[in-house]
Amino acid sequence: GAGVSQSPSNKVTEKGKDVELRCDPISGHTALYWYRQSLGQGLEFLIYFQGNSAPDKSGLPSDRFSAERTGGSVSTLTIQRTQQEDSAVYLCASSFGDRLNEKLFFGSGTQLSVL
Amino acid sequence: AQRVTQPEKLLSVFKGAPVELKCNYSYSGSPELFWYVQYSRQRLQLLLRHISRESIKGFTADLNKGETSFHLKKPFAQEEDSAMYYCALRGSFFNKFYFGSGTKLNVKP
Repeated sequence: GAGVSQSPSNKVTEKGKDVELRCDPISGHTALYWYRQSLGQGLEFLIYFQGNSAPDKSGLPSDRFSAERTGGSVSTLTIQRTQQEDSAVYLCASSFGDRLNEKLFFGSGTQLSVL
Repeated sequence: AQRVTQPEKLLSVFKGAPVELKCNYSYSGSPELFWYVQYSRQRLQLLLRHISRESIKGFTADLNKGETSFHLKKPFAQEEDSAMYYCALRGSFFNKFYFGSGTKLNVKP
């Protein structure tokens, strides 16, 4: 494909509503990451999927955040009961997962605004 | 715990001046270090990695294990170098990447 695809590119929601963010990784990439990019905070690791292994969820900030990856491909990040502090750009990245050739390919992100 | 620190949020230099973007890390094992760059309205992308010992767009970075640093340097900055730069670390026992808070480089004409 053309690269990592994320949708929607922009999402405005009201506080308390649930949102779903989607990521389509590059075909053949076994590793998939979600990061949150906030002003002054850099890139905050959220969750990491590698093949069929259990995901590394250690970066999820609260139990309102969850993510799944179906069929080893598309991933959905869900934020329940959104709060204003959830406003940020959510980035997805994928890679081959091969340690000898590891390079992250990023999507263009979803700008989430919680009013 | 692993940590990546970029002490400068903003760095402004004039065109043709040398530039150094600082990156320090903490990790008890053997890390892999990377620099990623995000130009205006573009995706975040890999600039260079220490294991390749490469020079990309005139930028170089040397891993100094004694000082736990991986500073990014360029002898003569260009206006097109203006971007957001992130230092990243990946450890020897885990696959995930840890990123610093980023440094915005502004190269003035």
